[in-house]
Amino acid sequence: QQPVQSPQAVILREGEDAVINCSSSKALYSVHWYRQKHGEAPVFLMILLKGGEQKGHEKISASFNEKKQQSSLYLTASQLSYSGTYFCGTEIGKAGGTSYGKLTFGQGTILTVHP
Amino acid sequence: DTGVSQNPRHKITKRGQNVTFRCDPISEHNRLYWYRQTLGQGPEFLTYFQNEAQLEKSRLLSDRFSAERPKGSFSTLEIQRTEQGDSAMYLCASSKLALAKNIQYFGAGTRLSVL
Repeated sequence: QQPVQSPQAVILREGEDAVINCSSSKALYSVHWYRQKHGEAPVFLMILLKGGEQKGHEKISASFNEKKQQSSLYLTASQLSYSGTYFCGTEIGKAGGTSYGKLTFGQGTILTVHP
Repeated sequence: DTGVSQNPRHKITKRGQNVTFRCDPISEHNRLYWYRQTLGQGPEFLTYFQNEAQLEKSRLLSDRFSAERPKGSFSTLEIQRTEQGDSAMYLCASSKLALAKNIQYFGAGTRLSVL
């Protein structure tokens, strides 16, 4: 089942912050975040394994709440280059602690940053 | 490290024709995935390989679709008797499972247009 992302679209001015949420009804092994610009490949941003870790990548960070099966992506002090569509990809866990391997993606959040 | 390579980048075909796409993964990546993406949607899983073994195939995938990875390196995706509904971007990704992290890196995709 596809994870649900919110909001569907965000418009920012440079320097503003944004949060993108991803929610699943399944028990997750990991959450992956990607950014895709028009006509290009999805670019990997970060992966979060179950355990509630939070990771950072420059001014982009993310958290994963294993109990709620929710992840959030935080973009601070946004730059023009942050514009694009953000996808979360969820990996379902198997009994025994491994995963199925495939990613199930949300419908995406379109982020637009204006000067 | 040259990244995931896909050929051709664009393919235009007539309904009923067969098409084949190729994916060259990042060297030493033992997992290879095929996804399909339509406009405004996230990538949708089709199938994946670990080395030369096809481990999973989406139940949504028609029998007209077949994929191979004969020597555990490059992979081909063939669509027989194409239909207009097959028009989409076909994305390939590869990964090397390390420390329980299955980070998938995507190629730029093959855009298929069925007339």
